[in-house]
Amino acid sequence: KAGVTQTPRYLIKTRGQQVTLSCSPISGHRSVSWYQQTPGQGLQFLFEYFSETQRNKGNFPGRFSGRQFSNSRSEMNVSTLELGDSALYLCASRLPGTVTDTQYFGPGTRLTVL
Amino acid sequence: AQSVTQLGSHVSVSEGALVLLRCNYSSSVPPYLFWYVQYPNQGLQLLLKYTTGATLVKGINGFEAEFKKSETSFHLTKPSAHMSDAAEYFCAVSGLTQGGSEKLVFGKGTKLTVNP
Repeated sequence: KAGVTQTPRYLIKTRGQQVTLSCSPISGHRSVSWYQQTPGQGLQFLFEYFSETQRNKGNFPGRFSGRQFSNSRSEMNVSTLELGDSALYLCASRLPGTVTDTQYFGPGTRLTVL
Repeated sequence: AQSVTQLGSHVSVSEGALVLLRCNYSSSVPPYLFWYVQYPNQGLQLLLKYTTGATLVKGINGFEAEFKKSETSFHLTKPSAHMSDAAEYFCAVSGLTQGGSEKLVFGKGTKLTVNP
């Protein structure tokens, strides 16, 4: 079974621009979560989507948003980019309510904001 | 609220030596506990997890961890280090919300170096 895939793997943007990152979960997984990883703050939870609905959100400004499609693929959008948004963005998928319910992570998208 | 403290941001061991990475957690609900490993320029790979039941959890690549509720600890061990174990290791805690959502709270990570 294919793992979690994220596109693009690398992205360079300038301040003020917006960016959209994509995540395709493991086949059959209906929950997708997003995390931000930076050297200073470490790994921080952004939000979780399940069946196209956001059901949990971390402590990030409204510039960070996401959505999930009917095929469980998810996108994350960051508007008005700031230098501090430079990070590795990881998504994870899971199949809630099963014996194997665990978050499986993708390789990440490395975003650099200049 | 939940939190994780990993003692030691860097740990160095010799090949063949015992690996011990320390993790203490705080949780107001029965915790689910995890260890993930991250190799350079890669995502996180699950090593093992504890939910309920047996407190000694065996994972992949010869790693294991023991849940000690009285000490609020979940330390990761491996009897004999291999060069390929060099990576960054993250301990995480979660607890399911009423809606079934799961949010992982991570420690700051421990970078393991294995010397030949």
